[in-house]
Amino acid sequence: QVQLVQSGTEVKKPGASVKVSCKASGYIFSSSGISWVRQAPGHGLEWMGWINVHNGHTNYPQRFQGRVTVTTDTSTSTAYMDLRSLRSDDTAVYYCARDYNYNVDFWGQGTLVIVSS
Amino acid sequence: QTVVTQEPSLTVSPGGTVTLTCASSTGAVTSGYYPNWFQQKPGQAPRALFYSATNKHSWTPARFSGSLLGGKAALTLSGVQPEDEAEYYCLLYYGGDWVFGGGTKLTVL
Repeated sequence: QVQLVQSGTEVKKPGASVKVSCKASGYIFSSSGISWVRQAPGHGLEWMGWINVHNGHTNYPQRFQGRVTVTTDTSTSTAYMDLRSLRSDDTAVYYCARDYNYNVDFWGQGTLVIVSS
Repeated sequence: QTVVTQEPSLTVSPGGTVTLTCASSTGAVTSGYYPNWFQQKPGQAPRALFYSATNKHSWTPARFSGSLLGGKAALTLSGVQPEDEAEYYCLLYYGGDWVFGGGTKLTVL
């Protein structure tokens, strides 16, 4: 069965960076893309970016360009999301999701990132 | 900036029918926006319900249906159950970018 398992809670200071991992299993990792989504406390879902695992092509919404980098390690079937220059309003639960042919189907359990001085 | 709009909240009685919609600030929502629908309950990750507007996942209950209706993507629940109380999000594709709607809080009362 398809599973995406994410890394644990992170606590960071403003200005720091965070790297969240997402280990995939149960399917051929390179056959799909991975999207990253976040949800601030009490707020809705926000799409942060996508990677085509097969060729490494990425796409980010304008508001995250230059601050987010999504990568993969196909040897371990793991995707990573790196967010830099953290601010307090980056405090959120971060999710990875399989993104296959415009079908965002399986989600990770989420990773809480807390940004606080 | 592209905005995807959903009803902020809806209330439905158990056994009733309700339709949630998803509109785009760029115009009519068509199949080319590949609408996805998700259900999220408190403290849980979102769960996918539909993709490409009308294609349901194997785990999506039969009482849920997806469609394109009047220039919007729509999610209809027929014979609503108490466990359907949740937040529902749509997701639209804009030629490389995905944009979520703000979500609809569905109350079953």
